[in-house]
Amino acid sequence: DAGITQSPRHKVTETGTPVTLRCHQTENHRYMYWYRQDPGHGLRLIHYSYGVKDTDKGEVSDGYSVSRSKTEDFLLTLESATSSQTSVYFCAISERTGGYEQYFGPGTRLTVT
Amino acid sequence: RKEVEQDPGPFNVPEGATVAFNCTYSNSASQSFFWYRQDCRKEPKLLMSVYSSGNEDGRFTAQLNRASQYISLLIRDSKLSDSATYLCVVREGKLIFGQGTTLQVKP
Repeated sequence: DAGITQSPRHKVTETGTPVTLRCHQTENHRYMYWYRQDPGHGLRLIHYSYGVKDTDKGEVSDGYSVSRSKTEDFLLTLESATSSQTSVYFCAISERTGGYEQYFGPGTRLTVT
Repeated sequence: RKEVEQDPGPFNVPEGATVAFNCTYSNSASQSFFWYRQDCRKEPKLLMSVYSSGNEDGRFTAQLNRASQYISLLIRDSKLSDSATYLCVVREGKLIFGQGTTLQVKP
């Protein structure tokens, strides 16, 4: 299995609070992604990174920001959590651009009350 | 119209059965195609890529029909361990995921 960890694995937070999720990889892959997965939807891309300090928006980026200060770490921040952001969040990595084979982390279950 | 559409199922089949899933995609310029497998409450994992000529990996066969814009996955001799959700994935620059088809294999 690819070396990807996510923390925390579970979190319950209140509406309006900021939340940061961490993705850590040991594979030295250049590309990293944050997705959310909700019932009735496929995995939806929130943000992605193509290198240290290089990030871009995905299809559902409103209310989220990211940072990548090191190759191995990609942080996702919910600036002011809302109930609509209750979801399972997956981090993924890939060696090549364009989203070739991606390896996923174990996911973070976030509940916003 | 969703970019990648799958029948969510569930497909309930007995052990040993053959089952097939289809997936349609909307963008004729899509570049690559994959099937991922996701076990309950786990992360998705690549099952197989789908090539234009079709490809097989053990009991699994994937087919691509570009003219009709659909992808299929055939599972022969189903095992209990095949129970999972199968995600159809299309690459259009980035990966676009279908919502998945759930398979439940019964003893």
